[in-house]
Amino acid sequence: EVQLVESGGGVVQPGGSLRLSCATSGFTFDAYAMHWVRQAPGKGLEWVSVIGGDGAYTSYLDSVKGRFTISRDNSTNSLYLQMNSLRTEDTAVYYCARDWNGYNDYWGQGILVTVSS
Amino acid sequence: EVVMTQSPATLSVSPGERATLSCRASQSVSSNLAWYQQKPGQAPRLLIYDASTRAPGIAARFSGSGSGTDFTLTISSLQSEDFAVYYCQQYNNWPPWTFGQGTKVEIK
Repeated sequence: EVQLVESGGGVVQPGGSLRLSCATSGFTFDAYAMHWVRQAPGKGLEWVSVIGGDGAYTSYLDSVKGRFTISRDNSTNSLYLQMNSLRTEDTAVYYCARDWNGYNDYWGQGILVTVSS
Repeated sequence: EVVMTQSPATLSVSPGERATLSCRASQSVSSNLAWYQQKPGQAPRLLIYDASTRAPGIAARFSGSGSGTDFTLTISSLQSEDFAVYYCQQYNNWPPWTFGQGTKVEIK
């Protein structure tokens, strides 16, 4: 059974940092690209970042470039999102999601990040 | 960036009736379009990919159609568990991957 479990969320002040983790199981992790997608309170889905199966390819939403870093550890089947210089507009539920041919076939349950003073 | 526009924003439907949701892309995305269902407090769930292929385990009452810039998700006979928000997503021109703003299907 494919499982994706996010952790690491919480409340942080503007300008602060947070590292999200996504623990995965039930599939060959390094064979899949992985995404982070977020959802601000009461809003729609917004793609944030992607990383290729071997970690060589990464891409980011323009508004997070230079502040967020996606990474993965294929030895522990884990995905990460390092978020620095956080802004109030980064407040959202963050989901990790598996990529299959470009769309997202499995999603984690999400983790809330609140940026507030 | 491909902008995805969904209509209507809210659709009021009685149980057992048909629901038709629309998604339009600002440029052609071929058939590289997915539909997701999201219930309150839950993660999105994949319903349809490649515009018209149902994901494993998805009921036959859900169907997708379209190509290029205009797409439709049809729920043939709404069940109580189908009241939710539905999002379309294009994966033809990336990055970025882009979603529509969602259509809420509510009980009439």
